[in-house]
Amino acid sequence: GESVGLHLPTLSVQEGDNSIINCAYSNSASDYFIWYKQESGKGPQFIIDIRSNMDKRQGQRVTVLLNKTVKHLSLQIAATQPGDSAVYFCAENIFHSGNTPLVFGKGTRLSVIA
Amino acid sequence: EADIYQTPRYLVIGTGKKITLECSQTMGHDKMYWYQQDPGMELHLIHYSYGVNSTEKGDLSSESTVSRIRTEHFPLTLESARPSHTSQYLCASSPTGWETQYFGPGTRLLVL
Repeated sequence: GESVGLHLPTLSVQEGDNSIINCAYSNSASDYFIWYKQESGKGPQFIIDIRSNMDKRQGQRVTVLLNKTVKHLSLQIAATQPGDSAVYFCAENIFHSGNTPLVFGKGTRLSVIA
Repeated sequence: EADIYQTPRYLVIGTGKKITLECSQTMGHDKMYWYQQDPGMELHLIHYSYGVNSTEKGDLSSESTVSRIRTEHFPLTLESARPSHTSQYLCASSPTGWETQYFGPGTRLLVL
């Protein structure tokens, strides 16, 4: 069945370094992907999305890369700051299948070391 | 920033009580969702709705029920709370089209 998972449950990064959070998905029909950030005590917050007709999309300090060949998604955070400490979730969707909800991965906890 | 609200934010209640968790959004989104999440853990979809008078069960079996009488409102009800219902409940909404969900702040429920 379809699944969205993350390779590492935790990631520790030195402040100022770049962070890379990875996500694997199994359904090759997925055509829409989102990264969410969830800080302690809050709901998930939308960071960035990408559609399957793209392989890279950039935001402010964040870049999402999509490799459809190996069904892999990554989130890169440049110059990681203490405020980036959170749990990050990837999510996938098959838009053209009709009304189906997002499928979320298990999450990666990012800890930024000052 | 998404305009989606949940009340109460925290609730401590005894076993057997009936509770309703409220969720409202002011964005006119057709789609709404309820997730159950233990702190820092994965999200489990328990209910969703793609419009007024439409409700579906999610992937996680739940003893809760939902209703969607108005577009902006999607309450979740537990008829008889149990300690196993202790968790965080997150509400989300999404516009028609691409499935970009926007989340509320969550309700933390503790059943004694």
